[in-house]
Amino acid sequence: QSVLTQPPSVSAAPGQKVTISCSGSSSNIGNNYVSWYQQLPGTAPKLLIYENNKRPSGIPDRFSGSKSGTSATLGITGLQTGDEADYYCGTWDSSLSEVFGGGTKLTVL
Amino acid sequence: QVQLVQSGAEVKKPGASVKVSCKASGYTFTSYGISWVRQAPGQGLEWMGWISAYNGNTNYAQKLQGRVTMTTDTSTSTAYMELRSLRSDDTAVYYCARELLGVVPAAMRSFDPWGQGTLVTVSS
Repeated sequence: QSVLTQPPSVSAAPGQKVTISCSGSSSNIGNNYVSWYQQLPGTAPKLLIYENNKRPSGIPDRFSGSKSGTSATLGITGLQTGDEADYYCGTWDSSLSEVFGGGTKLTVL
Repeated sequence: QVQLVQSGAEVKKPGASVKVSCKASGYTFTSYGISWVRQAPGQGLEWMGWISAYNGNTNYAQKLQGRVTMTTDTSTSTAYMELRSLRSDDTAVYYCARELLGVVPAAMRSFDPWGQGTLVTVSS
């Protein structure tokens, strides 16, 4: 069982918007920054969002992040078939370890 | 460009040890920490620990304490992760990942870039 809770799957049509939630506690999300990673099939994870809502260089503004209390959300607009991937949230936990969500599989119908 | 290149796939027997390397290029190696993350087949990401390439300080995941050792060789800009007493449930792809922002508190860490991954298979 992952410390952070994500929905196992989400889906939407091309061009539409989707959100992926990540729920934690005051031991992790509630007091630390959240990152989001995209893992395309058969590849290593790639950073999409850091410090809750910042995008690294090269990440399009179709990807956005937000945090409220002990939950965080990744938003993707203008969905493309190339966005089909697994998405993971991650943050620091008071147990002195980095923790991740179980991952959400995005299907672009 | 910043790049992490990992060593090749390994097959080990239960009880053996494995040492995976992660060679960095394109940045000042000692200015960033490296974390190791593994992913069992069909499963999610599991953080294993972190090492400072500046002074060698480490922080290991509690469940791996006593079985894992992370080191760096600054002369070759290479990080290493050794896992001992391997079990079948250690079968996974092992990734190294650099901190995005350099020397920051753990609560501010995010990981970018990542190595390509090393498959470690533990089987008798």
